[in-house]
Amino acid sequence: DTTVKQNPRYKLARVGKPVNLICSQTMNHDTMYWYQKKPNQAPKLLLFYYDKILNREADTFEKFQSSRPNNSFCSLYIGSAGLEYSAMYLCASSRWGGPSGNTLYFGEGSRLIVV
Amino acid sequence: KTQVEQSPQSLVVRQGENCVLQCNYSVTPDNHLRWFKQDTGKGLVSLTVLVDQKDKTSNGRYSATLDKDAKHSTLHITATLLDDTATYICVVADRGSALGRLHFGAGTQLIVIP
Repeated sequence: DTTVKQNPRYKLARVGKPVNLICSQTMNHDTMYWYQKKPNQAPKLLLFYYDKILNREADTFEKFQSSRPNNSFCSLYIGSAGLEYSAMYLCASSRWGGPSGNTLYFGEGSRLIVV
Repeated sequence: KTQVEQSPQSLVVRQGENCVLQCNYSVTPDNHLRWFKQDTGKGLVSLTVLVDQKDKTSNGRYSATLDKDAKHSTLHITATLLDDTATYICVVADRGSALGRLHFGAGTQLIVIP
């Protein structure tokens, strides 16, 4: 099974409310990623977990939290949603490939609309 | 100035005995700490990684602790085997990302005798 599953597929949230998105994979991948995708823009890497180690991008450091309670699950948490958070959130996983690079397996995405 | 100090420099134990290796560091920030085993003439093999403020890990006969307040880590090897003869290296990363720097200790040379 090479699927990455995301929940929920659609989320409607009010400004200022928290949002929690879930991702799971059963490929025993050591790395899981979260991307934000807005229309007509390239996906933007928000953060990734390598094993238990969380790596957050400098410009999104304060805006997103994440947890990885075990190898299969990874969450993306927004403490207080703003209108600018409306986007498709893509989860991906891979085995850390070193010099040969990583093949990323993407989920179908969670569409967040903040109103 | 050395930021990762390991002790002892070398250690000889008899097969079946337990041993403890120490790592003290002054690296700041200290995102995570990893213990490696290096057999003579070979590359580094990761034994365990410690992340939390006070962390404990266990991997077979290897167990490790980390106390970030004290900036101190220990690696315990129980019931040593002849194959445990190697150099054990403590590495502290100042960030979680690839942009971080890795700070290496000089290693503890463990020799297990029959």
